[in-house]
Amino acid sequence: GAVVSQHPSWVICKSGTSVKIECRSLDFQATTMFWYRQFPKQSLMLMATSNEGSKATYEQGVEKDKFLINHASLTLSTLTVTSAHPEDSSFYICSASSPVGLAGAVDTQYFGPGTRLTVL
Amino acid sequence: GESVGLHLPTLSVQEGDNSIINCAYSNSASDYFIWYKQESGKGPQFIIDIRSNMDKRQGQRVTVLLNKTVKHLSLQIAATQPGDSAVYFCADGYSSASKIIFGSGTRLSIRP
Repeated sequence: GAVVSQHPSWVICKSGTSVKIECRSLDFQATTMFWYRQFPKQSLMLMATSNEGSKATYEQGVEKDKFLINHASLTLSTLTVTSAHPEDSSFYICSASSPVGLAGAVDTQYFGPGTRLTVL
Repeated sequence: GESVGLHLPTLSVQEGDNSIINCAYSNSASDYFIWYKQESGKGPQFIIDIRSNMDKRQGQRVTVLLNKTVKHLSLQIAATQPGDSAVYFCADGYSSASKIIFGSGTRLSIRP
């Protein structure tokens, strides 16, 4: 249980284009989803927290107009990197927090497998 | 500000030996900590967690120790196996807010 998927697993795009990454909780409803970015040999940096049906909360320094987050349902959140540039190339990881009732602590986050974005 | 850091960036361990990965945190109000394992090209995998009302918690081959006095926690892996090779992160989780702050990570490598 508590499986989180991401699509695509990797994507290559041209500079200036937009890329959408999907994050799905497959077997549970996630009221909260999180988006992280990880550069090579670095730690995960939280970008934003999204709650179903409301606007995402962005961390300091993250451009909300560049990284559009939509959490339209309890099982799906999307991250759109708009007008991507080479410096946006990174590993993007989402997570979903489990509701009460699943094994583990109520605030346990389950992570997706990540999406490797390369902007040429 | 909040921070969670690791003492060593890399750790090399002989296969079969025990591994100890250390982590320090700065927020004395932190009450929930998680250890994650991340293999290359994959998302973090939950290993074990501990709340501040405990000083020790055991899982399968893993033990987490928490010392609130010196704001330090450690992850012990018994009988380290090649499959344990990965980067290990300690993370500071804010209860009810679900926000997690990751430490810098320790790469564990296993010598045959």
